[in-house]
Amino acid sequence: GGIITQTPKFLIGQEGQKLTLKCQQNFNHDTMYWYRQDSGKGLRLIYYSITENDLQKGDLSEGYDASREKKSSFSLTVTSAQKNEMAVFLCASRDWGQDTQYFGPGTRLLVL
Amino acid sequence: GQQVQQSPTSLVLQEGENAELQCNFSTSLNSMQWFYQRPGGSLISVFYNPSGTKQSGRLTSTTVIKERRSSLHISSSQITDSGTYLCAMMNYNQGKLIFGQGTKLSIKP
Repeated sequence: GGIITQTPKFLIGQEGQKLTLKCQQNFNHDTMYWYRQDSGKGLRLIYYSITENDLQKGDLSEGYDASREKKSSFSLTVTSAQKNEMAVFLCASRDWGQDTQYFGPGTRLLVL
Repeated sequence: GQQVQQSPTSLVLQEGENAELQCNFSTSLNSMQWFYQRPGGSLISVFYNPSGTKQSGRLTSTTVIKERRSSLHISSSQITDSGTYLCAMMNYNQGKLIFGQGTKLSIKP
């Protein structure tokens, strides 16, 4: 078995601040994902990475940057936090050729 | 683009009743998954079910490709079944899942 770790668990930021969220997986999976979950809106894909050093934009990439530094880690940066923003950011990974995705526990963001 | 619609948006049942959750897809179905999310928790894969019927304990998933739909049936619901259930379809060209908006299930004692 494996595990996905996300840090921090809670993130409180100020308007305009640059915020970075981190994700680590020890499944040795090729593909990693960042999703945003807002209440009543399901999950929306922000960025994904098919393999190390690869980056693909999702449906909600504007306002975000991502970095796949190595196979096991995938970072997401909110380039300029929006006031009153509140959402959960979920990281996931899967083996290429397999359909099942595994999710981390999430980072809860609140912008004051 | 591809869309995934779930119904109902929310469902409140008494403990012991059966729950039926639906998922409809706007394009041809490639493969689909059902996920469960406890309040404040992460997503856990419940079923990977590209076609046909699969059962695991009190949960049964049925996917009908020709009709572009999938359902999740929970029999004899328990309070611990409460949470949000999401279905997702795989877009193989891009290697990504497309999620529905979820069904929030509340089981009352």
